Amino acid sequence: NAGVMQNPRHLVRRRGQEARLRCSPMKGHSHVYWYRQLPEEGLKFMVYLQKENIIDESGMPKERFSAEFPKEGPSILRIQQVVRGDSAAYFCASSPQPGTSGRAGEQFFGPGTRLTVL
Amino acid sequence: DAKTTQPTSMDCAEGRAANLPCNHSTISGNEYVYWYRQIHSQGPQYIIHGLKNNETNEMASLIITEDRKSSTLILPHATLRDTAVYYCIVRSNYGQNFVFGPGTRLSVLP
Repeated sequence: NAGVMQNPRHLVRRRGQEARLRCSPMKGHSHVYWYRQLPEEGLKFMVYLQKENIIDESGMPKERFSAEFPKEGPSILRIQQVVRGDSAAYFCASSPQPGTSGRAGEQFFGPGTRLTVL
Repeated sequence: DAKTTQPTSMDCAEGRAANLPCNHSTISGNEYVYWYRQIHSQGPQYIIHGLKNNETNEMASLIITEDRKSSTLILPHATLRDTAVYYCIVRSNYGQNFVFGPGTRLSVLP
């Protein structure tokens, strides 16, 4: 059973370009979470999605950032008109339907996408 | 979610037990204690979690005090590969995001 997959692993963009980060959850998982980690800082929650629904986007910047988790395909975190302050590691995590796992509540993290804005 | 307090950093000799403390004095009755670690900017890795009773798995043991206001993660025989930032998080069990604090940076020394 493959773990959470993220691609690309490294992404370089110039200021003003768009960045698209993809996350494929573990098989059978219907919940996806995105976190951002700035250099030398801890992980900060951004958004929580279920298939076709945004459940909690309280950690998402109000402008330029959006996320989706369509019925088919990976979850996408989209950053428009990137700025240097967007340079960070972006981690995706997935979990099964709450209450269905022996380790209920656990989130499985991907390897992250490291975004560098020049 | 309840806030946790952990030491900023700790050292441990290779082969010895590493005991990482965590205070969570405002934990509520339905909140679990989770431990994750992050090795050198990789994705966080689940270690263990518990509610009231002590827990043990292949990676570690979790000791939770009777009043649940603090806990200790024990790595019984630390290796160099256990060098990482360890995060103690309290959270109820359904669907919410994890709130990561700064964690404890554990350095296992040869």
